[in-house]
Amino acid sequence: AQSVAQPEDQVNVAEGNPLTVKCTYSVSGNPYLFWYVQYPNRGLQFLLKYITGDNLVKGSYGFEAEFNKSQTSFHLKKPSALVSDSALYFCAVRDKSNYQLIWGAGTKLIIKP
Amino acid sequence: EAGVAQSPRYKIIEKRQSVAFWCNPISGHATLYWYQQILGQGPKLLIQFQNNGVVDDSQLPKDRFSAERLKGVDSTLKIQPAKLEDSAVYLCASSQKTGPGELFFGEGSRLTVL
Repeated sequence: AQSVAQPEDQVNVAEGNPLTVKCTYSVSGNPYLFWYVQYPNRGLQFLLKYITGDNLVKGSYGFEAEFNKSQTSFHLKKPSALVSDSALYFCAVRDKSNYQLIWGAGTKLIIKP
Repeated sequence: EAGVAQSPRYKIIEKRQSVAFWCNPISGHATLYWYQQILGQGPKLLIQFQNNGVVDDSQLPKDRFSAERLKGVDSTLKIQPAKLEDSAVYLCASSQKTGPGELFFGEGSRLTVL
């Protein structure tokens, strides 16, 4: 069955430290991969996507993500966390065969000053 | 460029009442999505439109939920009658086309059913 896993419900990082939010997927073929962020009482905002090409993609607010085909992962990273990065982060995968968009359950990122 | 507009932002109703949510997508976006997001969970697709046609409504509880996009632009999602478990945020999103394009979301409509 197609699925997206975000293994950590919550990630705590000190301000200024690097952060990683993990995402793994189980989808046939080479999917399109996305990260979205949701601030409290707001809709989801697009951060970045991987379609093809370079495995390291850069997105908004200094975030980047690395596509690893052998590990079927698409982890979100940032070299230096800000308190304002505290939010809920969702990984999503689109199956190219039927264009179905599959969502992870979300990871709450807390950046402490 | 104007974003996805949704209204109302908040709605409180009693069970068995009806409610309607409205969404106006980004101009030129052919694909429109309605999602249900329960607190602490990821979005669940209710219905996807391509222009004014339904692409996927497999998870829409059709005995109580209905949605339309008559002119291929704005859309309305209706719940009648509402149940307690319908309490959630209803998110509308649009994209230029299905495929590699990202979704643009509205602020959401928070429904509380008492």
